[in-house]
Amino acid sequence: AQRVTQPEKLLSVFKGAPVELKCNYSYSGSPELFWYVQYSRQRLQLLLRHISRESIKGFTADLNKGETSFHLKKPFAQEEDSAMYYCALSSGGSYIPTFGRGTSLIVHP
Amino acid sequence: KAGVTQTPRYLIKTRGQQVTLSCSPISGHRSVSWYQQTPGQGLQFLFEYFSETQRNKGNFPGRFSGRQFSNSRSEMNVSTLELGDSALYLCASKGGPATNEKLFFGSGTQLSVL
Repeated sequence: AQRVTQPEKLLSVFKGAPVELKCNYSYSGSPELFWYVQYSRQRLQLLLRHISRESIKGFTADLNKGETSFHLKKPFAQEEDSAMYYCALSSGGSYIPTFGRGTSLIVHP
Repeated sequence: KAGVTQTPRYLIKTRGQQVTLSCSPISGHRSVSWYQQTPGQGLQFLFEYFSETQRNKGNFPGRFSGRQFSNSRSEMNVSTLELGDSALYLCASKGGPATNEKLFFGSGTQLSVL
């Protein structure tokens, strides 16, 4: 069975500080990994996916198969980054991704 | 292209009642999935429909059911409501079968059970 773990329910940082939201997964095959974000009063939306190897809004995430992790990082947090972040995993055996429980990021001015 | 539309936006019910939520996916999307979102449990998968067939189901009691129509619109029904069913119910649609396809979410239906 596949599982996604986001160990931090809440992460609080100051503006300009680096931020890392942790995501660990358990799956024996080759997973597809995603980060979804939900800003206040907005829809849950895709932030980035590992297959695209892109940087969105300054965020990057690297798939580490050895550590089975897909941590989301940003070198300098902004107040507008405050949101709920969900890590998700898709595999060949499932049509719909499995989501972690989410991490609430609060960036203080 | 219109986004995923969920109705109603808000619902207030009392314990024991039943409720039906509606979701219209993005035009052309045949996969519709439902999630329950709460502050304590995060995002929990309820079920997924594709071409009117339920393909996946999460760990929710049988009081939670759904269906999909030939136009891909989907409904979710919760019978015998309990206080713990109070949550934001999200619907998402997906354009294709590939595992790296992204989900498009609706704004959700906020259900309050009194």
